[in-house]
Amino acid sequence: DAGVIQSPRHEVTEMGQEVTLRCKPISGHDYLFWYRQTMMRGLELLIYFNNNVPIDDSGMPEDRFSAKMPNASFSTLKIQPSEPRDSAVYFCASSFPGGPTMNEQFFGPGTRLTVL
Amino acid sequence: AQKITQTQPGMFVQEKEAVTLDCTYDTSDQSYGLFWYKQPSSGEMIFLIYQGSYDEQNATEGRYSLNFQKARKSANLVISASQLGDSAMYFCAMREGRDSSYKLIFGSGTRLLVRP
Repeated sequence: DAGVIQSPRHEVTEMGQEVTLRCKPISGHDYLFWYRQTMMRGLELLIYFNNNVPIDDSGMPEDRFSAKMPNASFSTLKIQPSEPRDSAVYFCASSFPGGPTMNEQFFGPGTRLTVL
Repeated sequence: AQKITQTQPGMFVQEKEAVTLDCTYDTSDQSYGLFWYKQPSSGEMIFLIYQGSYDEQNATEGRYSLNFQKARKSANLVISASQLGDSAMYFCAMREGRDSSYKLIFGSGTRLLVRP
């Protein structure tokens, strides 16, 4: 089985540009999570979805960040306009709480974003 | 207040020896879950072990065990017979509440280095 797929793996952009990060969760998983990891703040949950519906976006830092999940197999995290302080590794994770691994969140490989 | 505290920024252990990574947590919920994840230098997040607050037995997964002391609110990870491949960052995380929330709150991590 393919795991959580994220693209791109690396992104370098200039301040002010729009950045779109993509995630394909594991098939059958109905929860999807976006995390951000920085040295200063560690791992932070930004937003999570259940059955494509955003459940908790309290971790989204500001209006420049938006996330969508148009269907069960795809989600995007968009930053517009990007700023240097957005530089981080962004992880997508998915889970299926009703399954045999009900407590595990499966993480993607992450997208390393650098905003110059 | 910190929800998850990992007081050891870095630790060394000799190969084949056991090591304990500390984690304390803070919650007023009766129902919660505790997780440990491993992050090797390649960056991916790997789920290791889970302990539910109502679980009477300490969780074990191969060489990993979780020393759960509920009254002390600690959930230390024990790695037995350390291997060179165990060198990585280790994160403790907590999920609060029963079923209604799948948010994970992560600690700041402990970097473990296994010496040959």
